[in-house]
Amino acid sequence: GNSVTQMEGPVTLSEEAFLTINCTYTATGYPSLFWYVQYPGEGLQLLLKATKADDKGSNKGFEATYRKETTSFHLEKGSVQVSDSAVYFCALSEDFGNEKLTFGTGTRLTIIP
Amino acid sequence: AAGVIQSPRHLIKEKRETATLKCYPIPRHDTVYWYQQGPGQDPQFLISFYEKMQSDKGSIPDRFSAQQFSDYHSELNMSSLELGDSALYFCASSHMNSEGAREQYFGPGTRLTVT
Repeated sequence: GNSVTQMEGPVTLSEEAFLTINCTYTATGYPSLFWYVQYPGEGLQLLLKATKADDKGSNKGFEATYRKETTSFHLEKGSVQVSDSAVYFCALSEDFGNEKLTFGTGTRLTIIP
Repeated sequence: AAGVIQSPRHLIKEKRETATLKCYPIPRHDTVYWYQQGPGQDPQFLISFYEKMQSDKGSIPDRFSAQQFSDYHSELNMSSLELGDSALYFCASSHMNSEGAREQYFGPGTRLTVT
């Protein structure tokens, strides 16, 4: 079956530091890959996505590249802000009508001023 | 822009009681999904509906049932509640975009506490 393995947290960084959260996946088909963010007390928000190999998703300074050869979708940001503190979930969905999301375990990110 | 609406936002029930959670998808979205997120856990897929028909089923207990109505809203019915059912329940909706792909848009969740 499908699975997502995500870098375990929590992760604490200083403001303006470089961020990497690792994510690797196992899938039988050609999945779409996503990063969702969950701010305290809120629901899940789609941060970025990539639907095929070598696609790069980007949003709000965050980036992730779909690497089929390493089955990875690592999240990066060059300079984090205190407002980026949240829980980040890597997720995948299969194509061809099977769109349920399989999530990683989530990484809690805390940015200190 | 309209978002997914879930009600109630918070619900407290006792063991063995029943609960009904409601989800109103984004207008013109044809698919609804339910997920359960336990404390400190990742969301787990429960069930989905496409055009009012069940389209996929995940780790949903037999005590739970769900349906999608003619106006596309969905309800998750939970009976014989157990302490372990305490969780955040998310609804998401999606539609096929111009690129032939789907994105799920999540509601704010219903926090169910079973005492």
